[in-house]
Amino acid sequence: AQSVTQLGSHVSVSEGALVLLRCNYSSSVPPYLFWYVQYPNQGLQLLLKYTSAATLVKGINGFEAEFKKSETSFHLTKPSAHMSDAAEYFCAVRAGGTSYGKLTFGQGTILTVHP
Amino acid sequence: DTAVSQTPKYLVTQMGNDKSIKCEQNLGHDTMYWYKQDSKKFLKIMFSYNNKELIINETVPNRFSPKSPDKAHLNLHINSLELGDSAVYFCATGKTGEAYNEQFFGPGTRLTVL
Repeated sequence: AQSVTQLGSHVSVSEGALVLLRCNYSSSVPPYLFWYVQYPNQGLQLLLKYTSAATLVKGINGFEAEFKKSETSFHLTKPSAHMSDAAEYFCAVRAGGTSYGKLTFGQGTILTVHP
Repeated sequence: DTAVSQTPKYLVTQMGNDKSIKCEQNLGHDTMYWYKQDSKKFLKIMFSYNNKELIINETVPNRFSPKSPDKAHLNLHINSLELGDSAVYFCATGKTGEAYNEQFFGPGTRLTVL
């Protein structure tokens, strides 16, 4: 079974500051990892995903994440926050196997960006 | 042209009623899902269908019955609605194949049971 823990349900940064959203996973087999963003009253949109091709993954809107097996982590970062980044972010894991295997989500982190 | 659409967007109903939520996708994906997002924003899978066959059923009460008339549609019917069913329900789709294939989500249906 796999699980995801997102450290910090709320993260607040100033515009232009570094964004760091933490995600740790647990999986008995090599995992595939995803970051999704949810804007208010909308569905989830994929930011980026780890497919084992490269440990540093670049996504949309300037976000990137690094897979660290030794730390079982997949933290999401962005060098400079914009007001438009304010949203809720979800980390998710799927154990290797078929594409219709279960995707398990973390509890989400709300990102607030101050002017 | 919306890739994954859900109707209705909002649904307010009384306890004990039966209601349905519809989902349609135009991405040509073989796999469709229903997720429930509770008041704490926790997102949990309910069902997964692949080529109209049920693949995942996550200990969901049998008051919930997914129906897939074709590969482009996965509807969710809920009988005898309870207060605890109030949540946002998301439909999602994905390509069959590699486990790293991502899922594409609909805009959600906010169900409120009074």
